[in-house]
Order: sequence, then structure tokens, then C-alpha cells
Amino acid sequence: GENVEQHPSTLSVQEGDSAVIKCTYSDSASNYFPWYKQELGKGPQLIIDIRSNVGEKKDQRIAVTLNKTAKHFSLHITETQPEDSAVYFCAASGAPSGGSYIPTFGRGTSLIVHP
Amino acid sequence: KAGVTQTPRYLIKTRGQQVTLSCSPISGHRSVSWYQQTPGQGLQFLFEYFSETQRNKGNFPGRFSGRQFSNSRSEMNVSTLELGDSALYLCASSFGTSGVDTQYFGPGTRLTVL
Repeated sequence: GENVEQHPSTLSVQEGDSAVIKCTYSDSASNYFPWYKQELGKGPQLIIDIRSNVGEKKDQRIAVTLNKTAKHFSLHITETQPEDSAVYFCAASGAPSGGSYIPTFGRGTSLIVHP
Repeated sequence: KAGVTQTPRYLIKTRGQQVTLSCSPISGHRSVSWYQQTPGQGLQFLFEYFSETQRNKGNFPGRFSGRQFSNSRSEMNVSTLELGDSALYLCASSFGTSGVDTQYFGPGTRLTVL
């Protein structure tokens, strides 16, 4: 089955700096890569996603890049703000199992933005 | 459009008891997946239901079960609770009809087993 590795597990930055979180996946059949943000006491919220026919996608201060050859994708947050502090999860899906496409999640990155 | 809702938000149970958690998906979504989230293991997939049928299952013991109703609402049940079942249980919904689609999560039910 799919295996997703996420690094780093903890990332501490100063407000205004950029933050980069990296994920690698193992199954070349995976073709959909969402990123979720989970704040304390809440469920994960989708912040951006990318499909395999696209190399990069941006949404204001957030961008995701995908390298299918190397099987890795990254989340980039520019001009970080204290409210960006949360746990971020990457996921990969696209290899059907039992008739459905269940995403495999990374272990999460705790991002701390210091004012 | 209302998001995924889960009830109750918090539960405290003792070992040996059983518990039922409920999830209402986003309107129009027919797939409901359940996950267990713990600090040590991350997000672990329990099972997925689509059109009242379990379509996929993770690697959890038979004490964990679920069902889905005709309105797509889903429940999961854990019998004979163990201390290790303490976790945040998340429900996610999606259209589930063709290919890969996005899962949207609810706020979760925090289960504490004493």
C-alpha cells in the first residue's frame, strides 16, 4: 500500500518568515495530494490540493509543488503569521482499494510561528 | 452549505463499556470515512461507507464497527472499550462516486476511556 513520509515533525519560524513542509510518497499510482491544517480542538481543514497533471498551485500565501518523478510534494507558506500555527498534514491518494480511493496521511508537522 | 457534523463532541467512558458516535455528512456526499487520531499513531483509517455498504476497511479489530443509513448519515460503534481506544475520532465525507475526490472532515469526537 501507499506510504507517506512527512518532514519535519516540528517547524518553528519567526513571523514573516517562510515555512516549507515536505512529503514523499511511494505509490506511483497516486495522483491527488491534499494538504490539511488542523488547529487545536478542531478537525483537519483542507487548505490546498494538487493533482498530478499540475506541477504547482498557489493560493495567496500558500503554494504546493509536486514532483511526480521524484515522488515528492511540498507545502510552502510565505509571510507566516501567528494564526498559521497549527498541525499540517499531507496526504496522497489515487490508488484504488476496495473500490474507493482512501488517502494515506503523513504523520503531521507542528508549525509554530513566533510573533 | 453546512459542513460535516459529529455528535457528541466529547465522551467519557470506562473500560468494558461500548460507545456509539454519529456523523452527518455534507449534503450530497454519499461517502463517509472514519479515522482514529492519536498523538502516537497519527490519522489511522478505520472504514469507509458508501450507499449503506462498507466499501473499505482499515486494520482495526472487530470491536470497531460502523453503519450508514439511507440518508448517508453514519455511526460507528466501539464495543468493550479499552484504555487504548482513547482518541479523537474523525469523520470525513466526500461525493465518493467517481475517482479521487476531496474528503472534508468534521470537528471530531474526543473519546476518553477511564
